Amino acid sequence: DSGVTQTPKHLITATGQRVTLRCSPRSGDLSVYWYQQSLDQGLQFLIQYYNGEERAKGNILERFSAQQFPDLHSELNLSSLELGDSALYFCASSPHGTHSYEQYFGPGTRLTVT
Amino acid sequence: EDQVTQSPEALRLQEGESSSLNCSYTVSGLRGLFWYRQDPGKGPEFLFTLYSAGEEKEKERLKATLTKKESFLHITAPKPEDSATYLCAVQGTGANNLFFGTGTRLTVIP
Repeated sequence: DSGVTQTPKHLITATGQRVTLRCSPRSGDLSVYWYQQSLDQGLQFLIQYYNGEERAKGNILERFSAQQFPDLHSELNLSSLELGDSALYFCASSPHGTHSYEQYFGPGTRLTVT
Repeated sequence: EDQVTQSPEALRLQEGESSSLNCSYTVSGLRGLFWYRQDPGKGPEFLFTLYSAGEEKEKERLKATLTKKESFLHITAPKPEDSATYLCAVQGTGANNLFFGTGTRLTVIP
C-alpha cells in the first residue's frame, strides 16, 4: 500500500459526459501528479500540482482540468468524454515539487466510456 | 526530447532462471532513473531510484544498475511471484514528471 488513495475504483459513463476523479496523496506529500495509461500508449504524464498550484503540464487535453485543494487532495475533471478517453488514470505523490524524488502511485481509476 | 526504450517487450523465464531487462534512455540531463513494478490493473510500485552512472541498488532478487545510456534490472533466481510488468522511467533536468517506457512483461513459470 503506497498511501495514495484514489476514488472511484471504476467508472463507466457515456460519451459526452463529465466525470471527476479524486486523489488523496500520502501524508506529508505536497506534489500530486496525474497520469493516463492506455493499452497503446503506456503511462503518459498529464499535469502536476504542488501545494495547491499548477507546476507542470504534460499531454493534457483542453477538455481535462485539475485542481489541488488546501487539504492537498486533488481532482481531475474530464469533460465531453470520448471513447478514446477510456483508460486507467493514476495519481502519484511525492514530497517535493522539483527535486528528483520517487513518486508513489495510487491504485488508479479505470474509466470506461461507452 | 526524452526517450525511454525497454527490451524485451515480453520475457518468459523458468523459475530460477536468471536474466536481465534493459532500459535505454535519452534525456537532456538525468536527474534520476526509476524502476517500478506493475501488476495487472494496479498502480506502479516503486522499486529503485538511480542517480548517476555506476550506481547499483539491490532489493531481494532484483538488482538495478546504471550507465550513461542504459539501465539494467537483473533478476536472480526468479520466482512466479516476480511475474509483473517492469517499468523504467527517467526524470530530466528541468522536468518534474517521470517519462516512462512501455515496460517489459515478465512471466516466471514454476
